[in-house]
Amino acid sequence: DQQVKQNSPSLSVQEGRISILNCDYTNSMFDYFLWYKKYPAEGPTFLISISSIKDKNEDGRFTVFLNKSAKHLSLHIVPSQPGDSAVYFCAYSRAGGGADGLTFGKGTHLIIQP
Amino acid sequence: DTGVSQDPRHKITKRGQNVTFRCDPISEHNRLYWYRQTLGQGPEFLTYFQNEAQLEKSRLLSDRFSAERPKGSFSTLEIQRTEQGDSAMYLCASRPSGHENNEQFFGPGTRLTVL
Repeated sequence: DQQVKQNSPSLSVQEGRISILNCDYTNSMFDYFLWYKKYPAEGPTFLISISSIKDKNEDGRFTVFLNKSAKHLSLHIVPSQPGDSAVYFCAYSRAGGGADGLTFGKGTHLIIQP
Repeated sequence: DTGVSQDPRHKITKRGQNVTFRCDPISEHNRLYWYRQTLGQGPEFLTYFQNEAQLEKSRLLSDRFSAERPKGSFSTLEIQRTEQGDSAMYLCASRPSGHENNEQFFGPGTRLTVL
């Protein structure tokens, strides 16, 4: 069963506009959601996270929103830049029990067009 | 470079052979993780260590897979009697204790192809 769903395999956005990447989840037992960015031939790099007790976290051009009632989170990038073209993964960190591995979605390939 | 390093970056092997991968975490990161990523999927957790102790293993880690971190520094992941379904990118990550958001730092991965 897929606990983290990224339903859009790809997204194309014009440079300078807002990019919105979405993620749905089924398991409510998490401490944090994290967003990672991945370029080809490189490992994922951490972008931003949000605590389960918050509904928004902002870092520069990146803002993550968490809607616990809808079990949905989104990553907003504004303004979008060519270097933002990459695959974006959302992942959650499970709460308690010594479980420490991250659970990732399948990713969304963001393409920023000039 | 003080990031997570993995060796080799690419490995091609024949079905039935054994392979071993190495991961060197960021210095002083006491937690080390192994993930597997196949085409079109996100990374899937395999196992993690705190220092030299292996604390969690995923059900994906069959008995053909073994991971070690003997001195609490580098780690090795061995796959015995490889199968074509083992073809994937194997990612290593590390982090220090105390990062409450569980931010993990990933290496570039080892791409395994089983013929």
